[in-house]
Amino acid sequence: EAGVAQSPRYKIIEKRQSVAFWCNPISGHATLYWYQQILGQGPKLLIQFQNNGVVDDSQLPKDRFSAERLKGVDSTLKIQPAKLEDSAVYLCASSLEDSEKLFFGSGTQLSVL
Amino acid sequence: QKEVEQNSGPLSVPEGAIASLNCTYSDRGSQSFFWYRQYSGKSPELIMFIYSNGDKEDGRFTAQLNKASQYVSLLIRDSQPSDSATYLCAVSGGSYIPTFGRGTSLIVHP
Repeated sequence: EAGVAQSPRYKIIEKRQSVAFWCNPISGHATLYWYQQILGQGPKLLIQFQNNGVVDDSQLPKDRFSAERLKGVDSTLKIQPAKLEDSAVYLCASSLEDSEKLFFGSGTQLSVL
Repeated sequence: QKEVEQNSGPLSVPEGAIASLNCTYSDRGSQSFFWYRQYSGKSPELIMFIYSNGDKEDGRFTAQLNKASQYVSLLIRDSQPSDSATYLCAVSGGSYIPTFGRGTSLIVHP
């Protein structure tokens, strides 16, 4: 069974530039999460999708972050413009509907210079 | 604000010993409790989950839950150097949105 796919694996940008991350969940997983993990901290939820609908985006900085899951399968997270404090690993996770057991992708390590 | 607290460590134990990792949470309505292991530079991997008060054992791992004290722990018996990682506690209140602690770094030395 294929796991959660994420790309790119690494990204280096300058502040005020834009960046996008892509995630393809495990086949059949209705729920998709984007987490931000800053070095030395636990993952912090940015947004949760159930199929193509947003369940929770209360911690997403909507002035610069956006995310979509148009067809209820893969998802894109965008940051525009990036700030230095956005340097982190962006983790995508998926789960079966009504399950809280998360399966994580390999993450995208973002460095904002 | 739901909070999950963990001592960041590092917790250092000798090979073969029992490692005890602890986690407290603030939301009394929490229903589901998870332990994820995260190796350096890798993504979290679910290793244990528990829903009811008491103990749950799986191989060398035992999860313990005390809802009255809002406390969940993970015991690793016969610790191995390969167990060296950060262990993340995650708690959910039934909304299918786990909140993670900052993790405890475990070092098992030969």
